[in-house]
Amino acid sequence: EVQLVASGGVAIQPGGSVRLSCATSGFSFADFAMHWVRQIAGRAPEWLCLISRDGTVTSYLNSVKGRFTISRDNSRGVLFLQMNSLKFEDSALYYCAKDRTPAAGRHTFDSWGQGTQVTVSS
Amino acid sequence: EIVMTQSPATLSVSPGERVTLSCRASQTINSNLAWYQQKPGQAPRLLIYAASTRATGIPGRFSGSGTGTQFTLTITGLQSEDGAVYYCQQYNNWPPLTFGGGTKVEI
Repeated sequence: EVQLVASGGVAIQPGGSVRLSCATSGFSFADFAMHWVRQIAGRAPEWLCLISRDGTVTSYLNSVKGRFTISRDNSRGVLFLQMNSLKFEDSALYYCAKDRTPAAGRHTFDSWGQGTQVTVSS
Repeated sequence: EIVMTQSPATLSVSPGERVTLSCRASQTINSNLAWYQQKPGQAPRLLIYAASTRATGIPGRFSGSGTGTQFTLTITGLQSEDGAVYYCQQYNNWPPLTFGGGTKVEI
C-alpha cells in the first residue's frame, strides 16, 4: 500500500522558515516525480512545486520561487520542502503528492499525504 | 498560466440521479485533464486522467469526456457517498499545474 506521511507543519511568524518532510512507503520512490500542493480551507488546491525522479529538475509556482526549495532523498524515500521568508498568505494545509506515472510530463497525483498545517501569524 | 473554470459552483442532487460537472480551460489543453474528488477532512482523490480514463479502483459510474477546452465529469446513478467537492486539473502547459475552483455536489 502506498503511503505518504507529511510532517513539520507549525505556527510561525512572518519571515520565518520551516522544513516540511514527507515520508513514503509502498512504492519505488525513485521512479516517480513528486510534488507539494497546498490548500487553504474552503478553496481549491494550489500546486507549488515538483521534483523529478532523480532530483535534478525542479519547477515552482512563481509566487514561491526563490523562497521555497523542494528536494528529495531517494535512499530514504523522503521528500522535503524548505520554506523561507514565509508570508501570511502561505498559511495553508500542505500536501505531498505522487505522480501517477513515471512518464515524463504527465503530472497528475494518484496518492496524497494527509497534509501538514502551516500557519503564518504574528 | 492556464485558468480552469468549473461550473456550477454547487449542485444539489438526489441519489440515483445523473450529474454533469463542467470544466473549461482558458486555452487548449488537448486531453491533459484530470478530475479529483475531495471529501471533508480528506486529501483529494484522483478519479479520472487523460480526460476520460478512470484511475485505479474508481467505480464505473464516474466517467469523463472532452478535449481541447471543454470537459465534463458525469456521475451516473449518484450514491450518497458521492457528496464531495470535485476539482479539475490541467497538466498540458506547466508550470504551473492548475486546478479549477471546484464544484460542490450536495446530496
